[in-house]
Amino acid sequence: AQSVTQLDSQVPVFEEAPVELRCNYSSSVSVYLFWYVQYPNQGLQLLLKYLSGSTLVKGINGFEAEFNKSQTSFHLRKPSVHISDTAEYFCAVSVINDYKLSFGAGTTVTVRA
Amino acid sequence: DSGVTQTPKHLITATGQRVTLRCSPRSGDLSVYWYQQSLDQGLQFLIQYYNGEERAKGNILERFSAQQFPDLHSELNLSSLELGDSALYFCASSPVGTSGSREQYFGPGTRLTVT
Repeated sequence: AQSVTQLDSQVPVFEEAPVELRCNYSSSVSVYLFWYVQYPNQGLQLLLKYLSGSTLVKGINGFEAEFNKSQTSFHLRKPSVHISDTAEYFCAVSVINDYKLSFGAGTTVTVRA
Repeated sequence: DSGVTQTPKHLITATGQRVTLRCSPRSGDLSVYWYQQSLDQGLQFLIQYYNGEERAKGNILERFSAQQFPDLHSELNLSSLELGDSALYFCASSPVGTSGSREQYFGPGTRLTVT
């Protein structure tokens, strides 16, 4: 079975500073990887996805992530954050022949002025 | 707005009761997923339906059941409710069967409080 580990539960960051959220996965088969964002009192919104091809994927709101198969990682980055990026971020994985998503525990990002 | 709708938004009920959560997927999506989000368990997959048939089952209790109707909306039934069932329940939908369409689109959730 696949699993996801988000290495940081909370990440405080100043406005306009860069941020990296770390995600590692475990699976015996090929994976598909996703990052979702959850703003307070809202549902989950897809930020970006890796299905195949280029290992560097770009998403919405200036976020990008890099798939590293050898390190089984899919870290999310943004070069300059805004106050509005304050939210909880979830890394998720699915595998071939199984569409369900397995989520990490989430990383709370708090952006301060 | 993801295009996935869930009703009701909030639900407060007592232990031992039964409730029904409803989900309408995005137009054209054949697959519906239910997830539970709680503080202690995080986001957990419960069940998937595809075009009316159960496709996959996760950590869903026997007291919980779901179905997907011919118009593709889905309902999650929770019975004999316990305090520990208090959580946010999300529905998601995806096309499935379309090449490359692996992403799921989430509804706003139903917050269930069992007292």
